[in-house]
Amino acid sequence: QKEVEQDPGPLSVPEGAIVSLNCTYSNSAFQYFMWYRQYSRKGPELLMYTYSSGNKEDGRFTAQVDKSSKYISLFIRDSQPSDSATYLCAMSGQGGSEKLVFGKGTKLTVNP
Amino acid sequence: DSGVTQTPKHLITATGQRVTLRCSPRSGDLSVYWYQQSLDQGLQFLIQYYNGEERAKGNILERFSAQQFPDLHSELNLSSLELGDSALYFCASSVEAGTGVFSSSGSGELFFGEGSRLTVL
Repeated sequence: QKEVEQDPGPLSVPEGAIVSLNCTYSNSAFQYFMWYRQYSRKGPELLMYTYSSGNKEDGRFTAQVDKSSKYISLFIRDSQPSDSATYLCAMSGQGGSEKLVFGKGTKLTVNP
Repeated sequence: DSGVTQTPKHLITATGQRVTLRCSPRSGDLSVYWYQQSLDQGLQFLIQYYNGEERAKGNILERFSAQQFPDLHSELNLSSLELGDSALYFCASSVEAGTGVFSSSGSGELFFGEGSRLTVL
């Protein structure tokens, strides 16, 4: 079993839709949970991060972590064509030299 | 612009050859990470250097090697290239030695370059 599983999609939605992106993981030591966004022909950039369980909201984006289920989600409200990108979840344990483990990414297209 | 510079952007070479990819981290960042991204494997961690020293090793093949120089730029050397080595190679940098550790003294956020696309024919 891979440490981090993410459905690669692709996911295609109309503008204004609510988008739900998800990852599951197997390593219970993970404490930091991140979402990176990668536009075509660009490197990933950090979108949001959360520590341990709970929710975090930033504008149209909400990140949720459910450690009991080893499941994390990213919700995008009122999706825009500019949100079209690949979204990668990433996670790491606590500690100064923990490496980040990425999901394979979900490709999202928001159609105008 | 993340502030991380990678060269070359594109590289086409033949099997059996050797190439060197170069990365300049953001100003002030001491950690450099190398990742390989392919369609089937996603983003795979290869190796990390912190202030010139190897810090962590991931799924890096023996044919690959890296180093970080005193000016903190890094190079990834890929030798005896095979068709399966065709991929995007990303360099990332961060202030801290570890990632995902968003402490008050610094950030574990990774800043990625735009990648080097390697095609092995």
